[in-house]
Amino acid sequence: KQEVTQIPAALSVPEGENLVLNCSFTDSAIYNLQWFRQDPGKGLTSLLLIQSSQREQTSGRLNASLDKSSGRSTLYIAASQPGDSATYLCAVRAYSGAGSYQLTFGKGTKLSVIP
Amino acid sequence: GAGVSQSPSNKVTEKGKDVELRCDPISGHTALYWYRQSLGQGLEFLIYFQGNSAPDKSGLPSDRFSAERTGGSVSTLTIQRTQQEDSAVYLCASSLSGLRGEQYFGPGTRLTVT
Repeated sequence: KQEVTQIPAALSVPEGENLVLNCSFTDSAIYNLQWFRQDPGKGLTSLLLIQSSQREQTSGRLNASLDKSSGRSTLYIAASQPGDSATYLCAVRAYSGAGSYQLTFGKGTKLSVIP
Repeated sequence: GAGVSQSPSNKVTEKGKDVELRCDPISGHTALYWYRQSLGQGLEFLIYFQGNSAPDKSGLPSDRFSAERTGGSVSTLTIQRTQQEDSAVYLCASSLSGLRGEQYFGPGTRLTVT
C-alpha cells in the first residue's frame, strides 16, 4: 500500500528566505505527483503536477522535483512571502489496490512565513 | 472559466438523518472525484467517475455512502443514516482526463453530525 510522508510537519521561516519542503513515497510505480496548497477552511489549490516521466516542473517562484527511483519529491519556494503561509500537500497517483489508481496524500507541511 | 463548485458549504445534521452533497465539476472535465478530509486522518479518496465507465467505489467506507453522476456532469454524494464519525470536510475534484490529469478541487462541504 502506498504511503506518503511529508517532513517537516510544520515550518516557520522569515520573509525572503528560500525553503524546501520534502515528500517521500514508498512505491515508485507512480503515474504522477501533484503538489497542492490549502489555506485554512478552504479547498486545495493545485500548484504543480509532475508526470512520472518528468524530473521537475516550475511555476513562478515554485520548483518541484521528482526522483522516482528514490521515492522523493521536493518543493522549492524562492524568496518566501507572508502570502505563502498555508499547508502544502503532496499526493501521488499510483495503483492503490482492488483495481484502483488513485491519489494518496501526505499529511502536509504547515508553512508560516514571518514578516 | 468557473472552477469546481460544491453545495452546501456547510451542513449540520442530526445523527441518523440522510444528507446529500452536490458537486459541479469544471465544464468539459470527464473525471470527477470525491474525497474526505478529517481531523487527524488527512485526505482520503472515496469514489471516482470517468466518463461512462463504471465508477471506482473502492474508497467508500461503508454501504451508507453512495454517489452518482448524472449526464456526465453534476455529482451527488449521499450519506445515509449519518453517524458522528462522518463529520468531515467532503471535497470534490475534477480533471480533464483520467489517470494523468491534473486535479482541480472545489471549496468543500463541511459536514457536522450532532
